[in-house]
Amino acid sequence: QSVLTQPPSLSAAPGQKVSISCSGSSSNIGNSYVSWYQQLPGTAPKLLIYDNNERPSGIPDRFSGSKSGTSATLGITGLQTGDEADYYCGTWDSSLGVVVFGGGTKLTVL
Amino acid sequence: QVQLQESGPGLVKPSETLSLTCTVSGGSISGYYWSWIRQPPGKGLEYIGYIYSSENIDYNPSLKSRVTISVDTSKNQFSLRLSSVTAADTAVYYCARQPLGRGMGTFDIWGQGTMVAVSS
Repeated sequence: QSVLTQPPSLSAAPGQKVSISCSGSSSNIGNSYVSWYQQLPGTAPKLLIYDNNERPSGIPDRFSGSKSGTSATLGITGLQTGDEADYYCGTWDSSLGVVVFGGGTKLTVL
Repeated sequence: QVQLQESGPGLVKPSETLSLTCTVSGGSISGYYWSWIRQPPGKGLEYIGYIYSSENIDYNPSLKSRVTISVDTSKNQFSLRLSSVTAADTAVYYCARQPLGRGMGTFDIWGQGTMVAVSS
């Protein structure tokens, strides 16, 4: 059971927009920056968003992040088949004293 | 372009110690947090711990009694030792960089990962 809650799976059509939620508490998302990762099949996770809404160099602006209270959201617009992957949120949990991750969301682009 | 590469045995016997090394190339190991993260087959990510220097190390409380992370700056490497392993420690083990000045959940560079199975 993950500390951060994500929907296990989502699906959408190419070209559409999808939002992936990440729900936590005041000891994690409520008081810490959130990061998002994309994990393509058989590869290491890749940083998509850090500090709630910042994109690393090279990440297209189709990917966006937001945070409100104890929840965060990853938005992906103009979906492509290459976006099919697992997506994870992560943050620091001050009560547990550890970085925690969501359980992951498997995105299918139909 | 900084790159990370994990190395170590792919098979460890139960009750023995898992040992992995991460080699940092293309940049200095100094001035960053360096972490270990693992992913059991078909499951999510679990943070193991980080090292900044020999005096600044932190571990996941759930693993703290069994984990040691160390650094060898002369070789640009950092290492993970996990003792008394069981089948529950079977996972892909990743090394990753945590940049300073970002949220603690930020890992901007990852190794490709190495699969470690615990089995007799």
